[in-house]
Amino acid sequence: DAGVIQSPRHEVTEMGQEVTLRCKPISGHNSLFWYRQTMMRGLELLIYFNNNVPIDDSGMPEDRFSAKMPNASFSTLKIQPSEPRDSAVYFCASTRDAVAKNIQYFGAGTRLSVL
Amino acid sequence: AQKITQTQPGMFVQEKEAVTLDCTYDTSDPSYGLFWYKQPSSGEMIFLIYQGSYDQQNATEGRYSLNFQKARKSANLVISASQLGDSAMYFCAMREGVDNFNKFYFGSGTKLNVKP
Repeated sequence: DAGVIQSPRHEVTEMGQEVTLRCKPISGHNSLFWYRQTMMRGLELLIYFNNNVPIDDSGMPEDRFSAKMPNASFSTLKIQPSEPRDSAVYFCASTRDAVAKNIQYFGAGTRLSVL
Repeated sequence: AQKITQTQPGMFVQEKEAVTLDCTYDTSDPSYGLFWYKQPSSGEMIFLIYQGSYDQQNATEGRYSLNFQKARKSANLVISASQLGDSAMYFCAMREGVDNFNKFYFGSGTKLNVKP
């Protein structure tokens, strides 16, 4: 079975540019999570969806960040405009309701560098 | 208050020895799940082991076991017979309750170095 798929794996962009990160959850999973990981702040939950509906976006740092889940198999995290302090590794994870363990499975991450 | 606390930023262990990574949690919900993940230098987050709050026995997965002490609210990861490939960051996480859409709380991690 395919795991969580994120693209791109690496992104280098210049300050002010729009960045779009993509995620395909595991088929059959109905909860999706976006995390950001930095040395300073560790692993932070940005937003999560359940059945394609955003449940909690309180972790989104500011209005420059937005996320969508138009269907069960695709989600995007957009940063517009990007800033150097957005440089981090962004992870997407998915899980399925009504399963005893509800393990979150992570994608390989997108390493974002904003110059 | 922190939901998950990992007090060991870094640990060293000699190859082939056992090591315990500490994790304490904070919840008043009787139903919760505890998880450990491994993050090697390549960056991916790998699920290792799970313990449910109602599980009577400590979880084990190969060389990994979870020392679950419910009254003390601790869920320490024990790695037996350490290998060089065990060098990585280890994160403890908790899912609290049953109606929270599977939100996890993660600790700050412990960096384990296995010495040859």
